[in-house]
Amino acid sequence: QITLKESGPSLVAPTQTLTLTCTFSGFSLNTREVGVAWIRQPPGKALEWLALVYGDDDKRYCPSLKSRLTISRGTSNNQVVLTMASVDPVDTATYYCVHKFRDSSGYGYWGLGHLVTVSP
Amino acid sequence: QSALTQPASVSGSPGQSITVSCTGTSSDIGGYNYVAWYQQHPGEAPKLIIYNVDSRPSGVSRRFSGSKSGNTASLTISGLQVADDADYYCSSYTSRTTHVFGTGTKVTVL
Repeated sequence: QITLKESGPSLVAPTQTLTLTCTFSGFSLNTREVGVAWIRQPPGKALEWLALVYGDDDKRYCPSLKSRLTISRGTSNNQVVLTMASVDPVDTATYYCVHKFRDSSGYGYWGLGHLVTVSP
Repeated sequence: QSALTQPASVSGSPGQSITVSCTGTSSDIGGYNYVAWYQQHPGEAPKLIIYNVDSRPSGVSRRFSGSKSGNTASLTISGLQVADDADYYCSSYTSRTTHVFGTGTKVTVL
């Protein structure tokens, strides 16, 4: 059974760096066929794709946010970390960690989401 | 990359069929057969209902079907049910090897 869970601060001050951790189980991130991505959703707004890392360390970023994002595999084999620099109130959103197979266009397994508020 | 364009809302009565459109460009929808659709109920995480344009994950009702023509993808829900009242999002692979989501559509079952 594949599960994912997001963790990190719920409140971040503007200009700070946000660090989110995805802890997963039920699969291994050790093949090029499997990946973990981050997707966010501001309150009442649409989903926004942020970043993706495959098991072979192939990394992809949303072009408009690329300069502020870093996705990496965590210190544990079952973790993926997303950092976002210089946060702004517009970055307030629920951040989702999701599982992906390389040959599928769909994200079939989602975490419950983690609400991050950017405010002084 | 710009978000894919979806109608803000679509409505229908129980038992009817409705179609939600998703318009992109030749750099995303038109260039690849990598379109997905998600259903999201309030307060919940999205659920994958269509992938690779027209494939359904195990357990997803056959009432949901997907298609694509040129730069536009479509989601059809047949035999509309109250449980289908939700937000729907499309997504596509892009020429930048990234993914992009649609603007979202609120489906209302009257």
